[in-house]
Order: sequence, then C-alpha cells, then structure tokens
Amino acid sequence: QVQLQESGPGLVKPSDTLSLTCTISNYPMATPHWWGWIRQSPGKGLEWLAAMFYSGRTDYNPSLRSRLTMSVDMSKNQFSLELTSVTAADTAVYYCARTRHSSAYEEFDVWGQGTMVSVSS
Amino acid sequence: QSVLTQPPSLSGAPGQRITISCTGSSSNIGAPYDVHWYQQLPGTAPKVVIYNNFIRPSGVPDRFSGSRSGTSASLAITGLQTEDEADYYCQSYDSSLIAPVFGTGTKVAV
Repeated sequence: QVQLQESGPGLVKPSDTLSLTCTISNYPMATPHWWGWIRQSPGKGLEWLAAMFYSGRTDYNPSLRSRLTMSVDMSKNQFSLELTSVTAADTAVYYCARTRHSSAYEEFDVWGQGTMVSVSS
Repeated sequence: QSVLTQPPSLSGAPGQRITISCTGSSSNIGAPYDVHWYQQLPGTAPKVVIYNNFIRPSGVPDRFSGSRSGTSASLAITGLQTEDEADYYCQSYDSSLIAPVFGTGTKVAV
C-alpha cells in the first residue's frame, strides 16, 4: 500500500528557506500521477501549494509562485519543496499528497501524515 | 482566500441529515470541473469521502452522498453519527488560477 512521509526542519527562522521532503513507499514515483504539497495553517483551511507530474511538469499556487520550487529525486523515490523568505504566515502543517490518476483535476487520494513547521526567531 | 465558499459550521443530532454547500464560479465548479470532498478528523490528514461529484471510495459509508449543479456542489450526510464530527472540505480546479482549489471548510458537530 502506497505511503507518503513528510520530513522537515520543524522550526525555521524568518527570512530563511524552508525545505521539505516527501518519501514515497511501496509505489514507484515514475508513474502517471501528480505529486503535490498542501498546507494548513493552525486552525485554518487547506491551501494547495504546488504539484509535479511524473514527467516533470510543475504547477505552483499563483500567489506563492515566486517563492516556491519543487524538485524530484527519482532514484530515492522522493520529491521536495522549497519555500523562500518565510514569515510567521508560513507556519503550518505541510502535507504531501498524490492524485488518484493522471489528471490535475482529480482528488488527492493518498496523503502523508503531515509535518508541522513553525517560523520563529 | 479561497474561491470556494462553505458554511463555517453546521450541527445536527444523531440520525439527522445535514447538507454542506460549496459555492464556486464559472471558472471552477461551473466550468465544469469535478468536485471532491474530504473529511478531516482532528489531528489527522484529510480523507476523501466523495470524488468526481458523487462517487464514494471503497469503505466510505453510503450515508455520504454528493451532487453538483451549476456553480455549486453539496455533500449530504444522512443518519448522522458521532464519528462524523469533523471538518469537511470541498475541492475543485480553477481555470483562471490554473490550480486546484479548496473550499473554506465546514466544521460539523453532532
């Protein structure tokens, strides 16, 4: 059964770069799905951040595009997200997730457990 | 700021029926892009309860049902149970943003 596991720093200083990694287990990343990142600020709703198709095409949330970069390491079955110039507003639980099939319009049927990231000096 | 609007909270007694609305626009639900619904229990990741407007994944009780009409969609829960107490989110795709979008979320109390 496919599993996703996020890893991150836990605490990041304001203006620094946040780096997150999602490790995929029991499933090859090189399959036609979108692999994405979604966050949830404390007590708030879900916010889609970015997603990458297995072929390499990447889409970003327009409001955060200038600060986001997704990358992939197929050899490790991992994908990553970098968010630059973080502020307290970036404090959130960050989830990685996968779409059910190959369409960007589909639901995210598999989610990681989430990793909490706090931005504070 | 979400482009899909949901009521902040709803409540119902055990056994009752509630309906959660998700209101969008012509660039998302009305385009029409499919609507998906998630249930999020406290401290856990969201879980799909309805996808493609009305399809229930395996293992989701049939008291959950979904529909879409025009620029809106709805999730109905009949025979409400205490374990249904959770946050619920709709999701669609927006052609103006070129991005998936989530609803504002609804807290359901039983």
